[in-house]
Amino acid sequence: EAGVTQSPTHLIKTRGQQATLRCSPISGHTSVYWYQQALGLGLQFLLWYDEGEERNRGNFPPRFSGRQFPNYSSELNVNALELEDSALYLCASTLTLVSGNTIYFGEGSWLTVV
Amino acid sequence: SQQGEEDPQALSIQEGENATMNCSYKTSINNLQWYRQNSGRGLVHLILIRSNEREKHSGRLRVTLDTSKKSSSLLITASRAADTASYFCATGLIQGAQKLVFGQGTRLTINP
Repeated sequence: EAGVTQSPTHLIKTRGQQATLRCSPISGHTSVYWYQQALGLGLQFLLWYDEGEERNRGNFPPRFSGRQFPNYSSELNVNALELEDSALYLCASTLTLVSGNTIYFGEGSWLTVV
Repeated sequence: SQQGEEDPQALSIQEGENATMNCSYKTSINNLQWYRQNSGRGLVHLILIRSNEREKHSGRLRVTLDTSKKSSSLLITASRAADTASYFCATGLIQGAQKLVFGQGTRLTINP
């Protein structure tokens, strides 16, 4: 069974541009999470989607947005890129809205803003 | 501030020794999960322990949870070079929307 898959693996963008990152959850998982991990730092919660709805949002500006599609895949959009947006973006998925389920992570997408 | 705080921030031991990492948190939780991250890669799930559990084992891993002290520990026995990685605890909160709140992690180095 495939795990959480993310694309692209690496992405280089120029300041001011937009970046789109994609995530496919484990089959059967309806919840998708996005986290940002800047170099050498911990994971910061970005967004949580479940059944196509945004359920929770971390402390990030509105230029960070996303959506979840009917097949439960998700994309993260970052507009007006800034240098400090350079980070590893991790997607994770889990079963249902019920808390207490194991949350599985993908390998991440490295975003570099130059 | 982060909900989970790992201690120590870095740990270096010899291969074969046991490694213990601690995690403290602030608010009530319904579960706590430990993850491993190799440099620059995604997180690998290790163990989930629920708030009504006190100890859990998986292979060479042993996790304890003390909800009265709001702390957890991860013990890796008979460490191997391949265990070199960063280890994170993440708490699943009771209050508020479901999400995992991560600490800054413990960087574990196993010396051959």
